[in-house]
Amino acid sequence: KQEVTQIPAALSVPEGENLVLNCSFTDSAIYNLQWFRQDPGKGLTSLLLIQSSQREQTSGRLNASLDKSSGRSTLYIAASQPGDSATYLCAVRSNSGYALNFGKGTSLLVTP
Amino acid sequence: GAVVSQHPSWVICKSGTSVKIECRSLDFQATTMFWYRQFPKQSLMLMATSNEGSKATYEQGVEKDKFLINHASLTLSTLTVTSAHPEDSSFYICSAPDRRREKLFFGSGTQLSVL
Repeated sequence: KQEVTQIPAALSVPEGENLVLNCSFTDSAIYNLQWFRQDPGKGLTSLLLIQSSQREQTSGRLNASLDKSSGRSTLYIAASQPGDSATYLCAVRSNSGYALNFGKGTSLLVTP
Repeated sequence: GAVVSQHPSWVICKSGTSVKIECRSLDFQATTMFWYRQFPKQSLMLMATSNEGSKATYEQGVEKDKFLINHASLTLSTLTVTSAHPEDSSFYICSAPDRRREKLFFGSGTQLSVL
């Protein structure tokens, strides 16, 4: 069974810092990997989707990388802002279906 | 982009009552929908896969008689928590894949509190 782990569980940084969130998964036979943002009590917002054949994806200040062979992905956030404060979830889709396996998330707090 | 509507957003109910949560795909057809549950500080866990016109597939440890799923049309799936108890209090969220984009789109979630 696919296990997804996210480190750190929580992170607090001052505004303006660049930061990296880590995600690891145990089964490298993945179809894609997705990073989400979750605000308290709310649904999920998809940030970046990386297909298994891709190495990275970028959107604005966000950059996600994927190393399938080592079972790792990172989400890089440049020039963090207080509005970036949220929980960031990493989710892996296997080759055998649509359902996602989620990590527990990294709770990010960006202080002004 | 594709939109999945879920409601209610939150519900408070007494122990022993049943609660129905609706999940609708607004601008695309979803033959499959997924129901997830998230307890505080835990990861989202898949509960069941809802299939239009057929029985849902439940994950191990999820009671099918307690969590009734109906997927009667290509745009609507419902999850009914029957005889809810305080331990069922959780955040429930649905999702549907848009085949054209190969992404999963999520509803806004339902926070259930059982007193």
